[in-house]
Amino acid sequence: EPEVTQTPSHQVTQMGQEVILRCVPISNHLYFYWYRQILGQKVEFLVSFYNNEISEKSEIFDDQFSVERPDGSNFTLKIRSTKLEDSAMYFCAITLLAGVEQYFGPGTRLTVT
Amino acid sequence: KNEVEQSPQNLTAQEGEFITINCSYSVGISALHWLQQHPGGGIVSLFMLSSGKKKHGRLIATINIQEKHSSLHITASHPRDSAVYICAVRSRGGSQGNLIFGKGTKLSVKP
Repeated sequence: EPEVTQTPSHQVTQMGQEVILRCVPISNHLYFYWYRQILGQKVEFLVSFYNNEISEKSEIFDDQFSVERPDGSNFTLKIRSTKLEDSAMYFCAITLLAGVEQYFGPGTRLTVT
Repeated sequence: KNEVEQSPQNLTAQEGEFITINCSYSVGISALHWLQQHPGGGIVSLFMLSSGKKKHGRLIATINIQEKHSSLHITASHPRDSAVYICAVRSRGGSQGNLIFGKGTKLSVKP
């Protein structure tokens, strides 16, 4: 089973600060996704990334968010100016191919104060 | 209205019991996922279904496309099965990862 790590596991930041969340798949994957889960709520899709570009994004993924794969391995989610409501668990997921199961990372808990 | 509804929201069972968690959805789908979320927050993919039935160990997942309904069964439940079970669907025409999630069913199995 492919392994996915995420760093940091927990980040506390002040409102208005920029944060970068990292996802590191151990093996080569084509499809990357970010999801978030606000405490006590359901998981929500943010963005999917394929072939080094965004393939789909949700309404949540506004101009404050961006994703990239800067060095061909790490997959990052950047929030430019954090808001209190960005506090959530952020999950990265990967698939090798289209139409197969996703593998989730352990998540990064972001707390905006 | 939620596009993915799960029932029950909470479920308490005694060790050894047979458990069923239900998922109904209102959109046309190309795939349905069952996921397990541990108390620490981590998510594990259990099944991905587009038709029929799949089995893995003590877990069985079924889907009825016509009725827009899926069930997750756990046989001979064990306290380590305690977790939140989440149903998520990929709508027809949606991208690979654009999943619509249910709110989850919190399962607690008592010894």
